[in-house]
Amino acid sequence: DAGVTQSPTHLIKTRGQQVTLRCSPKSGHDTVSWYQQALGQGPQFIFQYYEEEERQRGNFPDRFSGHQFPNYSSELNVNALLLGDSALYLCASSVLGIEYGYTFGSGTRLTVV
Amino acid sequence: GDSVTQMEGPVTLSEEAFLTINCTYTATGYPSLFWYVQYPGEGLQLLLKATKADDKGSNKGFEATYRKETTSFHLEKGSVQVSDSAVYFCALSDIGGATNKLIFGTGTLLAVQP
Repeated sequence: DAGVTQSPTHLIKTRGQQVTLRCSPKSGHDTVSWYQQALGQGPQFIFQYYEEEERQRGNFPDRFSGHQFPNYSSELNVNALLLGDSALYLCASSVLGIEYGYTFGSGTRLTVV
Repeated sequence: GDSVTQMEGPVTLSEEAFLTINCTYTATGYPSLFWYVQYPGEGLQLLLKATKADDKGSNKGFEATYRKETTSFHLEKGSVQVSDSAVYFCALSDIGGATNKLIFGTGTLLAVQP
């Protein structure tokens, strides 16, 4: 049974560009959360999607947006990239309401130059 | 807001040594507490959890007890192995929000030498 799949694994972008990261949740999971992990830091919550709606958002600017599709997969979009957006972006899937059932993907390493 | 504080690393131990990684938390309610492990180049894996005060989570020889009186959830292992080398994150679930999102500490790098 495949876990959480994220693509691409690595990405290099230039300041000001836009990027889209993708996540396929674990089979049976209906909720997708995104986290940003800067180098040497713990993951920070960006937002969570359920039934194609954003349920909660962390302290991130509107440049960060997302989407969930009917098959539960999700995209994270970041516009007007800044050097500070360089980080590991983690996707976590779960079943709504089961807080200890998060399954994390291996992440997308984004480097902004 | 809720927060998690972990001891800073790196922690360097010899194989078979005793491990303690300290974790304290601040929360307005009674969150669930977790330890996650991140091996090089990988995502996070749930190591253990505790959902209420005095609960002890355990897995793969690691243990942690939910101490409400000291707001702590220290990770311990009696005898570490080289394969335990990784970054360990303490986390709590934010029960005050809509999603029970996870709030993580900054992580502690453990390096075990043979």
